[in-house]
Amino acid sequence: NAGVTQTPKFRILKIGQSMTLQCTQDMNHNYMYWYRQDPGMGLKLIYYSVGAGITDKGEVPNGYNVSRSTTEDFPLRLELAAPSQTSVYFCASSRGYSNQPQHFGDGTRLSIL
Amino acid sequence: KNQVEQSPQSLIILEGKNCTLQCNYTVSPFSNLRWYKQDTGRGPVSLTIMTFSENTKSNGRYTATLDADTKQSSLHITASQLSDSASYICVVSAGTASKLTFGTGTRLQVTL
Repeated sequence: NAGVTQTPKFRILKIGQSMTLQCTQDMNHNYMYWYRQDPGMGLKLIYYSVGAGITDKGEVPNGYNVSRSTTEDFPLRLELAAPSQTSVYFCASSRGYSNQPQHFGDGTRLSIL
Repeated sequence: KNQVEQSPQSLIILEGKNCTLQCNYTVSPFSNLRWYKQDTGRGPVSLTIMTFSENTKSNGRYTATLDADTKQSSLHITASQLSDSASYICVVSAGTASKLTFGTGTRLQVTL
């Protein structure tokens, strides 16, 4: 059982470039999330989705976009990459939001130079 | 502002010893408190979830406690193993999908 799979694992971008971070889950979870983890900081929610076709902003959405066309996939798009977006990005999924654990992928380590 | 504070920031213990990690929170409204284990280079993995009415919950050698009155939680690790070396993250939920507040974690190193 793969759980939550993120690709790529590592990426270096130049300032101004764009890219899509991929996330897929095979647990048929309705809820999916994107977080960023910066050194010495707690995870911050970027965007989340409560089901296919429904997305909403989290705490730090600026500079990012998402889509949720299927239950399984929840890609995160970076447009015009900036050095401040250097971070580790985690995708997670859960069956529900109340008292349900989130299952995390192993992250994408992104550097913008 | 909702906050979760963890202590200590880091901890080194000998294999076989016990340890306790602390979590204090100011999150309102309170729905549940979660502990996650994050190995280096991996995503967090859920250890326990406790609601308001639960004050102790175990998962193998991990035991979490919750005092909702003082807004404090602890994670006790018994008979530590080298594989327990990781960051332990306390997370408090305010009851909606977007309302999780993450602590910065306690970095635990278990040595021989």
